[in-house]
Amino acid sequence: DGGITQSPKYLFRKEGQNVTLSCEQNLNHDAMYWYRQDPGQGLRLIYYSQIVNDFQKGDIAEGYSVSREKKESFPLTVTSAQKNPTAFYLCASTARGWHTDTQYFGPGTRLTVL
Amino acid sequence: GQQLNQSPQSMFIQEGEDVSMNCTSSSIFNTWLWYKQDPGEGPVLLIALYKAGELTSNGRLTAQFGITRKDSFLNISASIPSDVGIYFCAGRDNFNKFYFGSGTKLNVKP
Repeated sequence: DGGITQSPKYLFRKEGQNVTLSCEQNLNHDAMYWYRQDPGQGLRLIYYSQIVNDFQKGDIAEGYSVSREKKESFPLTVTSAQKNPTAFYLCASTARGWHTDTQYFGPGTRLTVL
Repeated sequence: GQQLNQSPQSMFIQEGEDVSMNCTSSSIFNTWLWYKQDPGEGPVLLIALYKAGELTSNGRLTAQFGITRKDSFLNISASIPSDVGIYFCAGRDNFNKFYFGSGTKLNVKP
């Protein structure tokens, strides 16, 4: 089945540790995105990538890093510099082109930093 | 970043009633999207709108892309208990970035 997978579903880490969240898509989409969602709030953009080996900072990039070495994969690292990392993280992808710019989401990863 | 104003924040309705929610933006968008999110899950796309004035239906859902390209609404007719969830609007700008409303929490009483 085509889609976006995120793993793991739940992640627990100790304060001060870096942690990497996985995002894989087999939709052949060019663009991929990472969002953060806090309780009762909308989605805030962390990083996005329009093409392999290129990515841009979103509105809340501080304390996060990404890589885009393959079209299918866009891992997000939450570093120890992120002051409040506990949140629900959503990965999304979009096909480029006129009338195909629809964004699809993965199931999310809930990160809890203890 | 750009701000999307989504209203209402929450709604409590009786099963069978119609629902309407809307989003407004300070900037124009090229695409408007509406999503539904269940607790602990990723948002699921309901309707995509690509042209100003476009009116699109998906079953009991109807959405419109405003003529000014700065607003959109979503209507749900004859609500049922499984409509419960949080509904988000999203707009896409010229740089392929998406901006999201803060959500409308829908509660449906059987």
